[in-house]
Order: sequence, then structure tokens, then C-alpha cells
Amino acid sequence: KNQVEQSPQSLIILEGKNCTLQCNYTVSPFSNLRWYKQDTGRGPVSLTIMTFSENTKSNGRYTATLDADTKQSSLHITASQLSDSASYICVVSAERGGNKLTFGTGTQLKVEL
Amino acid sequence: DAGITQSPRHKVTETGTPVTLRCHQTENHRYMYWYRQDPGHGLRLIHYSYGVKDTDKGEVSDGYSVSRSKTEDFLLTLESATSSQTSVYFCAISDVPGTGGEQYFGPGTRLTVT
Repeated sequence: KNQVEQSPQSLIILEGKNCTLQCNYTVSPFSNLRWYKQDTGRGPVSLTIMTFSENTKSNGRYTATLDADTKQSSLHITASQLSDSASYICVVSAERGGNKLTFGTGTQLKVEL
Repeated sequence: DAGITQSPRHKVTETGTPVTLRCHQTENHRYMYWYRQDPGHGLRLIHYSYGVKDTDKGEVSDGYSVSRSKTEDFLLTLESATSSQTSVYFCAISDVPGTGGEQYFGPGTRLTVT
């Protein structure tokens, strides 16, 4: 069964600090991996999408890494801001051409002063 | 929210009543999706559409039906709402088939079935 596991479930950090969120998946055959940010009461918004051949991808202060051999990804947030408080969702695509995305349950990040 | 609106944004209804949720897009994207989001679960696909009048089931389609008579509108209907269908419903759109491209999500509809 295709699964995406994220850790930690929740995290509280001080503004200006860095943090790293983890994603492990068992989805096969792998096509791509995405990270979404979901603010409370809003729909998910894409941060990055990575294919098998990409190890690292950045979007401003967000940097995603992918290790397709170990089936792990991480999302690193640098110099956190209050506006980074949100749920971060890891999503893995099983196959090109299909319509199946497997969503993780998210890491709830809170950035405090 | 990438030119996607959902209506209503909030709805409370009673068990056994029919409910229709609407997704409207202004992006002219061919592919449209309905998901539900529940605590402890990742988003799960209910139904999707790959063109006008072309739809197919997702992983949690029981109790739901969809229709797409125009490119811009995708309707999700609960024929007889049950408490287990209390959830937040998201519509998504894409201009790329399958899972190769981005999916853009609407703002969601919070549905409570009492």
C-alpha cells in the first residue's frame, strides 16, 4: 500500500530559527514528490515539485531535498517568519499518467516570537 | 487560489438531505478534482474530470457523484448526506494530465452533516 509518513506531527520554533521537516514514503513506482504549504482555512499551495533526478530544489527560504534510494525527503525552512506558521504536506505521485497522489497528513508548524 | 472559487464556503446540513458543492475556475484548465480532508488523513481523491462530461472515480467515491457540463464548473453532489461525510472539501485544477504537473487548490468548503 502506498504511504507517506511525515514527522514531526507538530513543531514550535522561534522566529528567525531554522527547521527541517521529514517525509518518508513507500510509493512505487516513484514519479515525483511535492511539498505543499496549507495555511489555516485555505487550500494547499505548492512549494516545490521534484522528480527522480532532482536532489535539491529551492523556493526562497524553502529548500527541499530528495533521496530516491532511501525514499526520504526533507523540507528545510531558513530564517523562519511568523507567516511560515502553517501545515506542510508532503505528496508523492505513484506513476506518470495516472491520477493518484498520495498525501501525507502534514506537519503543523508554529512560529512564535 | 489560482482563479478557483468554491461555493458555498461553509454549509451545515441534516443527515439524508442532498447537497451540491460547486467548483468554478477561470483558468480554462482541462483537469479538475474533488478531494476531502479529514483529521488524521491526508487529502483523498473523491472524483476527477478529464474534460467536459468526462469523469472518473477516485479512492473514496462511494456516496458521491459529480458532473461537468462546462469547462469551468465541476459539481460534487452528496445524494443523501451522512455524518461520515462531514469534512472539508477541496477542488483542484490542472492543465497537465495525470500527476506529472501542478495541481492548484481552491479555498475549500467546510461541510457539517448533523
